[in-house]
Amino acid sequence: SAVISQKPSRDICQRGTSLTIQCQVDSQVTMMFWYRQQPGQSLTLIATANQGSEATYESGFVIDKFPISRPNLTFSTLTVSNMSPEDSSIYLCSVGVGGFKNIQYFGAGTRLSVL
Amino acid sequence: QKEVEQNSGPLSVPEGAIASLNCTYSDRGSQSFFWYRQYSGKSPELIMSIYSNGDKEDGRFTAQLNKASQYVSLLIRDSQPSDSATYLCAANQAGTALIFGKGTTLSVSS
Repeated sequence: SAVISQKPSRDICQRGTSLTIQCQVDSQVTMMFWYRQQPGQSLTLIATANQGSEATYESGFVIDKFPISRPNLTFSTLTVSNMSPEDSSIYLCSVGVGGFKNIQYFGAGTRLSVL
Repeated sequence: QKEVEQNSGPLSVPEGAIASLNCTYSDRGSQSFFWYRQYSGKSPELIMSIYSNGDKEDGRFTAQLNKASQYVSLLIRDSQPSDSATYLCAANQAGTALIFGKGTTLSVSS
């Protein structure tokens, strides 16, 4: 398994501002992912954070809105830029471990409210 | 478009009964299948993984996989009120992120 520390755990932000969410893992992992979970909904993949290269974004998510950094194999950040109330959601960091089994574990999440 | 489908529920069972949750997936290339439990306000917690056709048992939980039918299920025996949660089915190919279903809400009444 993996121990994932994600912060902040929650924040209330003003429209038009940006928030950076941090994800720290207790061991080196190749794969890190960022998901969004809107109220009452399932998890939607935002992007795969690739170490040493640009993140790979899913359809509907763009780098200008959700820039991601992955400076090493234990750390990643997701920034939610120029926020609007529609960005109010839970943002989850996940890591893949176990080689080909690709088991994913999740951080505790960041609950974001945009006013 | 790779999709994982689940009935949203709610699925209501009495304490001690068997709860049966089902899931289908569209990507025939999927190799790994998972069930996560998510309590309200918490992040998903892995409870079962399955990779080959057949059954896999772990305590009160049994996962079943049928790749020909593209079908995954989770049985919870002797259901407890503490099992009340949303259960998320997920699938992926090696080296890729999980694709999640919308989740099934289970309610176990005492």
